[in-house]
Amino acid sequence: GQNIDQPTEMTATEGAIVQINCTYQTSGFNGLFWYQQHAGEAPTFLSYNVLDGLEEKGRFSSFLSRSKGYSYLLLKELQMKDSASYLCAVSGYSTLTFGKGTMLLVSP
Amino acid sequence: EAGVVQSPRYKIIEKKQPVAFWCNPISGHNTLYWYLQNLGQGPELLIRYENEEAVDDSQLPKDRFSAERLKGVDSTLKIQPAELGDSAVYLCASSHDRGSYEQYFGPGTRLTVT
Repeated sequence: GQNIDQPTEMTATEGAIVQINCTYQTSGFNGLFWYQQHAGEAPTFLSYNVLDGLEEKGRFSSFLSRSKGYSYLLLKELQMKDSASYLCAVSGYSTLTFGKGTMLLVSP
Repeated sequence: EAGVVQSPRYKIIEKKQPVAFWCNPISGHNTLYWYLQNLGQGPELLIRYENEEAVDDSQLPKDRFSAERLKGVDSTLKIQPAELGDSAVYLCASSHDRGSYEQYFGPGTRLTVT
């Protein structure tokens, strides 16, 4: 089975940097995803990691350590519009299993 | 390119009534997923289709839920009869194939059972 843990809530200030952690235990691993979901909207794809290391995409970066079952999403230069839920999801043999999401609140 | 289309966006029904949700995936996407998302939770897979074949329906409560994707394109998810605990958002997603690393989600149908 799959077990994915991430913090329930985080708060940060506009312009700051925040790191959202995700730990996982899976019976199969084909990659780790981060999705962003604004309230009342569908999840949208942010990043995908299949090899160890850091993937950078603009203000967002994602890191993976397969040996530690650990990933993080790094958000730089936070903006108010970054207030959303961030979902960590692990791809197993055939399905994508989501964590419960981390609600990030960015304040002025 | 049009995204994943779902309808209706909102549905309110009384318990024990039937309800159906419709999804049209992105053109050319062979894999279609139905997820259930409760408030404050991540999406949970209900069923996955590869073309018209349901290849993973282990999490679908088959006593009341059913789904079909007859021509391998659009899909319908049905609940009969609905229960209070079925109130949730039902998300449809599609990907090019099972090996595709990105799923595209529709806006979802918010179901309220009273």
